[in-house]
Amino acid sequence: EAQVTQNPRYLITVTGKKLTVTCSQNMNHEYMSWYRQDPGLGLRQIYYSMNVEVTDKGDVPEGYKVSRKEKRNFPLILESPSPNQTSLYFCASSSDPGTENTGELFFGEGSRLTVL
Amino acid sequence: AQSVTQLDSQVPVFEEAPVELRCNYSSSVSVYLFWYVQYPNQGLQLLLKYLSGSTLVKGINGFEAEFNKSQTSFHLRKPSVHISDTAEYFCAVSGGNKLVFGAGTILRVKS
Repeated sequence: EAQVTQNPRYLITVTGKKLTVTCSQNMNHEYMSWYRQDPGLGLRQIYYSMNVEVTDKGDVPEGYKVSRKEKRNFPLILESPSPNQTSLYFCASSSDPGTENTGELFFGEGSRLTVL
Repeated sequence: AQSVTQLDSQVPVFEEAPVELRCNYSSSVSVYLFWYVQYPNQGLQLLLKYLSGSTLVKGINGFEAEFNKSQTSFHLRKPSVHISDTAEYFCAVSGGNKLVFGAGTILRVKS
């Protein structure tokens, strides 16, 4: 089954404790992206990756890191989480990596993170 | 740069009634337009998209949307809603190498 898998789905942590949210897709997609969803703000892009070893900042990259060492995986790293990073996070992938973005993103089920 | 405005944060409607969820966009370039749906505790899934051609686009679950270039709108409609349509709906625009989402509209279908 084609899917984007995120882990963990739920996490409560404390300020400053490094954490990683994993994302894996089995569709051989080149494009992957991380979003955060906050009430009244919709989805805002954190980072995206056009292909292996190619990553770039989205609209709200501060406090986050990513890596893309393999095509299927795109982990999101919070080196020193803070309470303002409490949010619902989504990983997404697409077969279209470039400027002809048709917008057909496939989303994971989300990871709800609470930072105390 | 692109931006999207969803004019209603919540839309309550009775079952079997028609519904319209409004979306306006701004962009300095040609755009592609999308509606995504998010059911409770799930990720987003594509409902429909406009890339070119006919301005009336049909999607899954009986939804349709009309692209209106002069009014820069892409409103989503369904003639008769079901309880199962209760979800949050996001309009999105793509005019480059990124997708910009609106703030979302929660559709609440009441029996």
